[in-house]
Amino acid sequence: NFMLTQPHSVSESPGKTVTISCTRSSGSIARNYVQWYLQRPGSAPTTIIFENNQRPSGVPDRFSGSIDSSSNSASLTISGLKTEDEADYYCQSYHNTMVVFGGGTKLTVL
Amino acid sequence: EVQLLESGGGLVQPGGSLRLSCAGSGFTFRNFAMNWVRQAPGKGLEWVSVISGTGYSTSYADSVKGRFTISRDNSKNTLYLQMNSLRAEDTAVYYCAKQYDTSGFEDWGQGTLITVSS
Repeated sequence: NFMLTQPHSVSESPGKTVTISCTRSSGSIARNYVQWYLQRPGSAPTTIIFENNQRPSGVPDRFSGSIDSSSNSASLTISGLKTEDEADYYCQSYHNTMVVFGGGTKLTVL
Repeated sequence: EVQLLESGGGLVQPGGSLRLSCAGSGFTFRNFAMNWVRQAPGKGLEWVSVISGTGYSTSYADSVKGRFTISRDNSKNTLYLQMNSLRAEDTAVYYCAKQYDTSGFEDWGQGTLITVSS
């Protein structure tokens, strides 16, 4: 099995751009799709990126996803930060049929 | 609109059992694999189990294998999680999640809280 490692927390100012990384410990990041989920306090997660870089309908294009084989990591980039983006963000991928989540990143918009 | 509504949560003693349900609507339930994902208080997301659309294929996290059983009744558009031999570390909010055709979770329920304590 492998792990997905995310920074514990990141912070940035409104209007700026922030990138959250998700590094796969073993095996190629390109082997399985990566998803990203947003969770606000007291609420269920919502999906913001699937299949590495696809946005569900209704998710603003301020959110984008990518993978980088050289660093074996996936990234979530949020541009034009808004205070409402303050939340926990989780990456997720697969090991065979097993689901692997990253530990989550708390984004503070200050 | 897709809706997933979990029920069955509550307080249970260590060693006890509980069955969660998740009623799906707004989509053709039998066409989609369904998952349970949990979140312990103040912790991150942890995948629990998945079941295929037909119900014939299942998979479990090592932490629950042999204690939890996932099932579904497509005639009732309902997903289940039978939890036996519950431990304090099973205390969490349990979410059901509808899976994309290819990868990841498309829709999530609002969650139901399980507390395992004496």
